[in-house]
Amino acid sequence: DAGVTQSPTHLIKTRGQQVTLRCSPKSGHDTVSWYQQALGQGPQFIFQYYEEEERQRGNFPDRFSGHQFPNYSSELNVNALLLGDSALYLCASSLSGSGNTIYFGEGSWLTVV
Amino acid sequence: GQNIDQPTEMTATEGAIVQINCTYQTSGFNGLFWYQQHAGEAPTFLSYNVLDGLEEKGRFSSFLSRSKGYSYLLLKELQMKDSASYLCAVRDGGNAGKSTFGDGTTLTVKP
Repeated sequence: DAGVTQSPTHLIKTRGQQVTLRCSPKSGHDTVSWYQQALGQGPQFIFQYYEEEERQRGNFPDRFSGHQFPNYSSELNVNALLLGDSALYLCASSLSGSGNTIYFGEGSWLTVV
Repeated sequence: GQNIDQPTEMTATEGAIVQINCTYQTSGFNGLFWYQQHAGEAPTFLSYNVLDGLEEKGRFSSFLSRSKGYSYLLLKELQMKDSASYLCAVRDGGNAGKSTFGDGTTLTVKP
């Protein structure tokens, strides 16, 4: 039973470029949340997808967008990258209504230069 | 706004007991999580409290007081591998909804 998988694990982008990060949730899970974790800080909620729609959104600009596919996998897109977007991007998988079972992927390390 | 406070750093000795505190002020509450995060890795789930009281799971226990906006994580029989960051998170976005995290407590276990 595969856990939460994210790709790529590491990437370097130039300021102004665009990036797409991918997440496959744990088998049986239907909800995907994305978090940004800067060095030395806790994860910050970006948004959550359920039934292919954005259900909740944190305090992030419109440069951050996402998508969920019929197979529950998800993408996070960031446009016009800034140096401050350098962080670990975490995908969290859960089953809607299940309460306490949330699993994180290993994350994607993004460095913007 | 949402506010979660936990100490930045703690140090303890191998074999000892350590308590990591967390206080929170959030607009909603649907449970409190504790996660362990080793450097360069993703958070891993430790515990979940939604009702007041103590939840025990092996060497780890977590306590919640909703009226006080307070939780603690208790680690017993500390091992060197317990050196990590411990994150307190409150689910404030409805069932299975978003969580607000503290910045973590870096625990160093010394021989």
